[in-house]
Amino acid sequence: GEDVEQSLFLSVREGDSSVINCTYTDSSSTYLYWYKQEPGAGLQLLTYIFSNMDMKQDQRLTVLLNKKDKHLSLRIADTQTGDSAIYFCAETLLRDDKIIFGKGTRLHILP
Amino acid sequence: DAGVIQSPRHEVTEMGQEVTLRCKPISGHDYLFWYRQTMMRGLELLIYFNNNVPIDDSGMPEDRFSAKMPNASFSTLKIQPSEPRDSAVYFCASSPRGTGELFFGEGSRLTVL
Repeated sequence: GEDVEQSLFLSVREGDSSVINCTYTDSSSTYLYWYKQEPGAGLQLLTYIFSNMDMKQDQRLTVLLNKKDKHLSLRIADTQTGDSAIYFCAETLLRDDKIIFGKGTRLHILP
Repeated sequence: DAGVIQSPRHEVTEMGQEVTLRCKPISGHDYLFWYRQTMMRGLELLIYFNNNVPIDDSGMPEDRFSAKMPNASFSTLKIQPSEPRDSAVYFCASSPRGTGELFFGEGSRLTVL
């Protein structure tokens, strides 16, 4: 089946690390993605990981993939006010070109 | 490149009226996707095209919704007749290939009264 689950809200203090989690159900996923949506805007690709990788780091962003548990996480180090947004986990399935999105996690930054 | 361009940005209409949303994808992108975003259901894939051909329209809610892509640089999503439950933000996205690197437009916010 196709389903991507995320918690809806996360509050983090400025300067702390944020960890946003995602679970997916389709084992045929090829790529897994994190998108960011700022208020009033469309989604923007933040980073992605191929399904045969465990980890990917890109500046303040670290993506961890546990394929056995079908668990994906995004860690944002030194969270800033500009990181306040909705973060979407998404997967591309092997059998077609559909991109399935989670409902998004709204990251709120506390002063 | 200007990115994916959608119009209108905002539309307020009355129940029963026809609504047409427009999208210009990024030049050279072979894939075009229409999504709908609501608080309750999140981001739903309505339909996607590859090289102007509709590939999967299983997400289109019902016959009131239709989408076309007459050429590589233009697509429309039409709702006729519109209903209040169609109120949402509709996003168009394009991709150079079907690997999930989507480039989104800024969305069309539709309110049906």
